[in-house]
Amino acid sequence: GAVVSQHPSWVICKSGTSVKIECRSLDFQATTMFWYRQFPKQSLMLMATSNEGSKATYEQGVEKDKFLINHASLTLSTLTVTSAHPEDSSFYICSARRVLGYTFGSGTRLTVV
Amino acid sequence: GQQLNQSPQSMFIQEGEDVSMNCTSSSIFNTWLWYKQDPGEGPVLLIALYKAGELTSNGRLTAQFGITRKDSFLNISASIPSDVGIYFCAGQISSGTYKYIFGTGTRLKVLA
Repeated sequence: GAVVSQHPSWVICKSGTSVKIECRSLDFQATTMFWYRQFPKQSLMLMATSNEGSKATYEQGVEKDKFLINHASLTLSTLTVTSAHPEDSSFYICSARRVLGYTFGSGTRLTVV
Repeated sequence: GQQLNQSPQSMFIQEGEDVSMNCTSSSIFNTWLWYKQDPGEGPVLLIALYKAGELTSNGRLTAQFGITRKDSFLNISASIPSDVGIYFCAGQISSGTYKYIFGTGTRLKVLA
């Protein structure tokens, strides 16, 4: 079945540094990928829609200069959290659009110290 | 951001019992999806619904797309301990954007 690989699964970084999260569709092409953020015991909040070969579309309230999204190929989208701060600590999940529903990555737990 | 109202928020049930949860919205949706999320993992698709009134089963799980297109429910029959997790509904806002918004989640705990 369709698999979306997300890497890393967890990362701890110092405040002020940048962190890159990768999302790969392993056995299908994904022209559209989505990035979500999830705080503990809360639902998934859509951050942005990533479209291959074009600029990402960000949801209201999400800083595009803070969360850089690149979708350079049909199988890879990346999310870079720039100048991370403790309030950016969260669980970040990507998903890729398929014909039948969406497949999610396993998530990345980011902790900024 | 937008969210769907999902209820109940959490529930404890005995193994073997049936479970029912639902999602409601003031907006109309084109597609409803139901996912399960285990701790520290990404959500896994359980059932997808594409037409109003559609009733679909996946093993012990049954879900329905409400006639008004503003709600959906998920039933789990004869629950087992591995059903523990968080269940989310997701609704497609419009067919053009492919964006989904998620329900607030139902946390299920099964007592053996």
